[in-house]
Amino acid sequence: DTEVTQTPKHLVMGMTNKKSLKCEQHMGHRAMYWYKQKAKKPPELMFVYSYEKLSINESVPSRFSPECPNSSLLNLHLHALQPEDSALYLCASSQEVSNTEAFFGQGTRLTVV
Amino acid sequence: GESVGLHLPTLSVQEGDNSIINCAYSNSASDYFIWYKQESGKGPQFIIDIRSNMDKRQGQRVTVLLNKTVKHLSLQIAATQPGDSAVYFCAEGYTGRRALTFGSGTRLQVQP
Repeated sequence: DTEVTQTPKHLVMGMTNKKSLKCEQHMGHRAMYWYKQKAKKPPELMFVYSYEKLSINESVPSRFSPECPNSSLLNLHLHALQPEDSALYLCASSQEVSNTEAFFGQGTRLTVV
Repeated sequence: GESVGLHLPTLSVQEGDNSIINCAYSNSASDYFIWYKQESGKGPQFIIDIRSNMDKRQGQRVTVLLNKTVKHLSLQIAATQPGDSAVYFCAEGYTGRRALTFGSGTRLQVQP
């Protein structure tokens, strides 16, 4: 199994809603990542988890809250988002942090209305 | 600051031709490089990687070249096919940096 699975594939939410994005991998990877990608732009790193501990927070606003319940799961909790937060949210995993191939999920297309 | 990338040009090639996609990076500490392919509506897909102790690596129909002197990376695709049409990103990492940094991407269009 070399897949990173993200759910949902599409999400439309209002600015007062609370929602969560989910990511799962069963490759035994110990590093998991959240990236944000706007149209025609490269993925931008948001968070890195290493061995289920938050390793990097790239100055992401607190309306985005990551959670790593176990080594296979990564969540991104969303609250009070703005329309400019609309983007493709990508989850990735790698065997270890840095210097290893990262496998990406298909992403969640988020629209904030 | 650190940067990896290139402006987002579009490379248009004929089916069967070879394609060359270029990437410049500025961090001399970078020691690991990856090329990803991203099709519309999908996540990035690994193509090939190379470490800084190498200057060339070949895969199936793809070759990555690394020139550390000028901080330049290229991806060569042989006999380009319509299924190769996508946006291609280079990404770099280095020891101590706990995630990859992506360049700005190149759109490859393959004309049948």
